Amino acid sequence: GENVEQHPSTLSVQEGDSAVIKCTYSDSASNYFPWYKQELGKGPQLIIDIRSNVGEKKDQRIAVTLNKTAKHFSLHITETQPEDSAVYFCAASPGYGGATNKLIFGTGTLLAVQP
Amino acid sequence: GAGVSQTPSNKVTEKGKYVELRCDPISGHTALYWYRQSLGQGPEFLIYFQGTGAADDSGLPNDRFFAVRPEGSVSTLKIQRTERGDSAVYLCASSLHSGVEQFFGPGTRLTVL
Repeated sequence: GENVEQHPSTLSVQEGDSAVIKCTYSDSASNYFPWYKQELGKGPQLIIDIRSNVGEKKDQRIAVTLNKTAKHFSLHITETQPEDSAVYFCAASPGYGGATNKLIFGTGTLLAVQP
Repeated sequence: GAGVSQTPSNKVTEKGKYVELRCDPISGHTALYWYRQSLGQGPEFLIYFQGTGAADDSGLPNDRFFAVRPEGSVSTLKIQRTERGDSAVYLCASSLHSGVEQFFGPGTRLTVL
């Protein structure tokens, strides 16, 4: 089955700097890769996603890149702000055509943005 | 519009007891998922419903866990003979149909004493 690894487990940056979180996956059939932000005591919130027919996707300060050959994808946050502080999870799924489209999550990255 | 809601937000029970956790998905969403999140970990898939049927229950840890979605909307996760190891946050997510974005509820924190 699918296995997703995520690095780093913790990341501390100064406000205004960029943050990069990286994930690798094992199942070449996976073709949908969402990123979630989870604040303390809340459920995960979808912030951006990418499908395997696209190499990069951007939404304001957030971007995701995907390398299907290497089976890794990354989240990039530019101009970080204190409100970006949270735990970020990557996930992989068979997506369209998959049996269940269940999400397999990484172990999370605790991002701390220092003012 | 209303998001995914889950009740109760917190549940404390004693070992051996039976519990039910409820999920109200976003209106019109046909796909519904249950996940379990232990402290410091990512959510772990339990079961997936497409409409009323459980299309994939491969993530349920054992036969003490069961879930239903009788009318294709609200779902209930049922845990029999609870054990301390069942303590976790139980998350529900829904999507318009399978294969698209999943939206999560706030979760139910289950504590088994």
